[in-house]
Amino acid sequence: DQQVKQNSPSLSVQEGRISILNCDYTNSMFDYFLWYKKYPAEGPTFLISISSIKDKNEDGRFTVFLNKSAKHLSLHIVPSQPGDSAVYFCAGTESNFGNEKLTFGTGTRLTIIP
Amino acid sequence: DTGVSQDPRHKITKRGQNVTFRCDPISEHNRLYWYRQTLGQGPEFLTYFQNEAQLEKSRLLSDRFSAERPKGSFSTLEIQRTEQGDSAMYLCASSRDRDQPQHFGDGTRLSIL
Repeated sequence: DQQVKQNSPSLSVQEGRISILNCDYTNSMFDYFLWYKKYPAEGPTFLISISSIKDKNEDGRFTVFLNKSAKHLSLHIVPSQPGDSAVYFCAGTESNFGNEKLTFGTGTRLTIIP
Repeated sequence: DTGVSQDPRHKITKRGQNVTFRCDPISEHNRLYWYRQTLGQGPEFLTYFQNEAQLEKSRLLSDRFSAERPKGSFSTLEIQRTEQGDSAMYLCASSRDRDQPQHFGDGTRLSIL
């Protein structure tokens, strides 16, 4: 049972344009979400998070949007840079448990074309 | 902060052998987590500690797996009688508090021959 789904295994975007990565979840108890970036041979690196009391959170070039009714979140990267090429994972958790057990999607490989 | 450190980076062993991995969390992080990642999948939660107490274990953690964090600092994950299906990347993460993001190490890749 995949509680967090990233239906696009890969995405290619031209440098300078907007990258939009999508994530859907099925567990209605999830109310805190995180995005991680992963380079080859490295562990995941935290990017940005959002609580269900918000529908948007921004940090520099990264913005996460949350649509609770659709159980959907997206990560926008503007403008996209070559160093953004990586695998991106979204993760959800139940805040009753704080940030303990993260449930991850299968990831989307983003390639930025110079 | 120095990051989360995991040792070894790679481990190759024969089926049936025991292996042990070590994780050193970021200093002053009292929460420590273990995840497993297989090819094409995201990390899957295995267990976590608050200080030295192991507070939750996934059903993925069979009887052959044991994790410890004896003094609330570093942690070890042991797999006994390894099987082919244990081949994976084992990731450790730590966080300062329950409301803080988890920071991951670079993992230990286990290959079972």
